[in-house]
Parts: sequence; structure tokens; C-alpha cells
Amino acid sequence: EAQVTQNPRYLITVTGKKLTVTCSQNMNHEYMSWYRQDPGLGLRQIYYSMNVEVTDKGDVPEGYKVSRKEKRNFPLILESPSPNQTSLYFCASSLSVRPHEQYFGPGTRLTVT
Amino acid sequence: SQQGEEDPQALSIQEGENATMNCSYKTSINNLQWYRQNSGRGLVHLILIRSNEREKHSGRLRVTLDTSKKSSSLLITASRAADTASYFCATDARGKTSGSRLTFGEGTQLTVNP
Repeated sequence: EAQVTQNPRYLITVTGKKLTVTCSQNMNHEYMSWYRQDPGLGLRQIYYSMNVEVTDKGDVPEGYKVSRKEKRNFPLILESPSPNQTSLYFCASSLSVRPHEQYFGPGTRLTVT
Repeated sequence: SQQGEEDPQALSIQEGENATMNCSYKTSINNLQWYRQNSGRGLVHLILIRSNEREKHSGRLRVTLDTSKKSSSLLITASRAADTASYFCATDARGKTSGSRLTFGEGTQLTVNP
């Protein structure tokens, strides 16, 4: 089944403890992206990647890192999480470098205390 | 900054009625997309309209695009309770590199009452 998977789905952590949210797609998509969703602010893009080893900042990249070493994986790294990074995170992928139809993962609900 | 802005923020209708949601954006686009999100879940792509298209249909969905007014509308005809969800427009804006990225609006919460 074609899908985007994220892990973990739920995470409660403490300030400063490094964490990684994994994202994987099995559709051989070139384009992958991370978003965060917050009440009243909608969906904001954190980082995106057009292909292996090609990444670019979105609207809210501060406090996040990404890497794209393999086509299928696009992990989101929070080196030193803070409470303002408490949010619902979505990974998405798209077939080509132009973000046409995007397929979204199920989301990761992160709470930083 | 948010490229797309949906209007209204919330819409409540009766089953069988039509629902219209609007989206306005600020800069030139390559295409505009509409997505649906059930509470707390991932977004699902509904329809894409290119900048050189004016109208597109998909089942009970009808999307229009007016590039001169930088606006789009999504019409859901003969709504059903299962259409209850948040609807987002997203625009394809050029990024810093040669690629491009999607920018989403804040969404319209549609409630269809049985």
C-alpha cells in the first residue's frame, strides 16, 4: 500500500532532550516536506527536500534540522526541543520536485514540557 | 507568511445543501490545490487547478480560479455529514532554490448537520 509513515505518533518529552521524528514513503517520491500545525496558525512548512541531499528552509525552520540521505526517508530532528515546539507535525511527499498532489502521513503529536 | 487565506473560517450547513469556501492569495502561483483534513488526521488531496485553468470538477467538487483577483473557490454540492472536515487551500510558490513549495491557508471548518 502506498503510504507515508511517521514515528512516533505521540511523544511527550522534556525541554532540551534531543529527539528525531522519522518519516518514510514507499512511493519513490522525489519531494518531501515537514509541516507543523497549530491552532489559529494553520499548517506551516518547516523544511522541504526536492531530492536526495537537497533541502531548503520553509517558513518556520528555526530549532529544526532535517536530512535526506535516502530518497525514502526524511527525518526531522529537534536538537534541543522547547515548549514552543509543542505541535502536531506532518510529513508529506510528492512525486516530482514540483509539489503537486502531496501525500500526508498520519501526524506526530509532540508535547515538550 | 501565509500565502492563502480561507473564508469563512467556519461554515455550518444542513445535509443536502451546497457549501462554498473561498481562498485568497497574495503572489503569482503555478497551481492551487485544495485539501481536506478530518480532525487530527493527515491532509488528503482533493483537487489541483493550474494557473491557466479557470474551473475544474471532480465528483461533487467544483473549483474555480480567478488569477486576476488572486482567489479560488471550492464548492461542494449536495453535502453529506461525512463531508464534515477542515478544508485548506494551498498555493505553489517559488522557493529560494530552483524548486517550489506549497503554502497552506488556515482552513475552513465545515460542519454538515444531518
